[in-house]
Amino acid sequence: GQQVMQIPQYQHVQEGEDFTTYCNSSTTLSNIQWYKQRPGGHPVFLIQLVKSGEVKKQKRLTFQFGEAKKNSSLHITATQTTDVGTYFCYGNYQLIWGAGTKLIIKP
Amino acid sequence: DGGITQSPKYLFRKEGQNVTLSCEQNLNHDAMYWYRQDPGQGLRLIYYSQIVNDFQKGDIAEGYSVSREKKESFPLTVTSAQKNPTAFYLCASSAGYRTEAFFGQGTRLTVV
Repeated sequence: GQQVMQIPQYQHVQEGEDFTTYCNSSTTLSNIQWYKQRPGGHPVFLIQLVKSGEVKKQKRLTFQFGEAKKNSSLHITATQTTDVGTYFCYGNYQLIWGAGTKLIIKP
Repeated sequence: DGGITQSPKYLFRKEGQNVTLSCEQNLNHDAMYWYRQDPGQGLRLIYYSQIVNDFQKGDIAEGYSVSREKKESFPLTVTSAQKNPTAFYLCASSAGYRTEAFFGQGTRLTVV
């Protein structure tokens, strides 16, 4: 069946370092969404990418959708404690979620 | 305020009992979804509904049932047939298939 692989499962960073999570789909996605879930909370929508090769930025967050629409990435520059949480990708038309990448700030 | 309300926030159930989780939205969304999330895991789709009086099974529908008699309501029943029901249950809604999903605060179900 269709799958979206998301890596890494965890990423430990020092505050101020960058963070990246990647999603790879076994099939072409119509579009992809990204969500953030804070510890103990619920997922909150961040962005939707629709076009092949699309790049969108939200302050320190950069989202990319691959040319073949089978992969996507989220990059956070200079992480802050407010970035802590788990980031999920979601192929909403296919109803498939990545397993999430948990961002952990080292003390 | 527009949003999705799930109740209760915490629920304890004895083995062998059915339990119903409530999900209400006032966003006038057509689509509604139920997810299960286990500790450290992603979201797994239980059921979804795109329109009133219609719903489809997701990846892990066994042991669960739903109804969609009203646009704003999508209750989930966890039946005694669900062998491992302890989990965090999330309800979501979206205006359509390709739009952003809004989530409720979730219900933590524990079987005791």
